[in-house]
Amino acid sequence: GAVVSQHPSWVICKSGTSVKIECRSLDFQATTMFWYRQFPKQSLMLMATSNEGSKATYEQGVEKDKFLINHASLTLSTLTVTSAHPEDSSFYICSASDAGVGEQYFGPGTRLTVT
Amino acid sequence: DQQVKQNSPSLSVQEGRISILNCDYTNSMFDYFLWYKKYPAEGPTFLISISSIKDKNEDGRFTVFLNKSAKHLSLHIVPSQPGDSAVYFCAASGGGSRLTFGEGTQLTVNP
Repeated sequence: GAVVSQHPSWVICKSGTSVKIECRSLDFQATTMFWYRQFPKQSLMLMATSNEGSKATYEQGVEKDKFLINHASLTLSTLTVTSAHPEDSSFYICSASDAGVGEQYFGPGTRLTVT
Repeated sequence: DQQVKQNSPSLSVQEGRISILNCDYTNSMFDYFLWYKKYPAEGPTFLISISSIKDKNEDGRFTVFLNKSAKHLSLHIVPSQPGDSAVYFCAASGGGSRLTFGEGTQLTVNP
């Protein structure tokens, strides 16, 4: 099956610093990648959709200058949380799609804690 | 506006019995529905899907039923096993890859 990896799986950073999370599709080319955020016991909230080589499309209420997304190749997308604050602490999950028919393959997630 | 709702935050069943997880949606443009299983601190894994042209899809112990007129779908797991204990999310899409998720239902299967 299609495999998506995320790195790091867990990160702690100080308030005001920036953190980069990588999402890779290991055995397929991902034309579209998605970034989600999940708070405890809540649904996965879509943050943004990115297509390779173009700018990401952000969901309403998501600050694009704070959550920088780069989809530089068909196998790699990165999410950079800039000037992180404690309220950015969350579980960030990426997914990748190669077919555009609704099925997405999810990464294992990254737990971000901002102190 | 929560377009996909899972009204039961939790469900507990005995091993061997049937688990029924429910999901309702409001957007009539949704035409493809999926169920995902998620363990703590892991990403969701795909379980089963159904297109709006069908009303039932079966894969082993998992069956998804779709009632378009009621905008309701359900996931049946039979027989339930302790390893099925996880959070189950339903998701919907309407032409394209963008998914809208429900809030999830924590299923606990007791031995």
